[in-house]
Amino acid sequence: AQSVSQHNHHVILSEAASLELGCNYSYGGTVNLFWYVQYPGQHLQLLLKYFSGDPLVKGIKGFEAEFIKSKFSFNLRKPSVQWSDTAEYFCAVNANNAGNMLTFGGGTRLMVKP
Amino acid sequence: DGGITQSPKYLFRKEGQNVTLSCEQNLNHDAMYWYRQDPGQGLRLIYYSQIVNDFQKGDIAEGYSVSREKKESFPLTVTSAQKNPTAFYLCASSIVRQGVRRQFFGPGTRLTVL
Repeated sequence: AQSVSQHNHHVILSEAASLELGCNYSYGGTVNLFWYVQYPGQHLQLLLKYFSGDPLVKGIKGFEAEFIKSKFSFNLRKPSVQWSDTAEYFCAVNANNAGNMLTFGGGTRLMVKP
Repeated sequence: DGGITQSPKYLFRKEGQNVTLSCEQNLNHDAMYWYRQDPGQGLRLIYYSQIVNDFQKGDIAEGYSVSREKKESFPLTVTSAQKNPTAFYLCASSIVRQGVRRQFFGPGTRLTVL
């Protein structure tokens, strides 16, 4: 069965700092990868997704993620965070032989200090 | 163990039939959510409930109905009015901890309408 690990449970940064959130998955086949964000008081929103092609994916609000197949990773990055990026971030994986079923990581709570 | 239960994992129904997907949580969370995922897309919010006996429509509520008679349970009915019911359905619940709302996910139900 596929699983997803987000190693950083809680991250605190100052504004303008660079962000990298780790995501590793365990599945040897073809996968689709997602990053979701949940802002305080809101529901999940899709940040970006990778299905195929360029492994460097750009999403909304200046976020990007890089798929490294050899490392089974899909880390989320942003060069300069803002206070408004304070949220919880979820990595999710869909294995191609699992239909469209998603497996989520445990989430990383990001707090950006002004 | 505390958690969110969705059953069954796979569900098949004939076209024109209503079907109810169960979601139970024993985490004492106040809010619960239903999402849908389709191939090539991210999650979309169907309905959510912040307290018992109250719920609100999400982005794609048409053809669905919910109830929240108990804090622990938030069943989703996919009615015959839903034009494309085949999808992966994900239930979630959330609670506020240290001033931040955190969301947790069930394992999902893959519904196939034949």
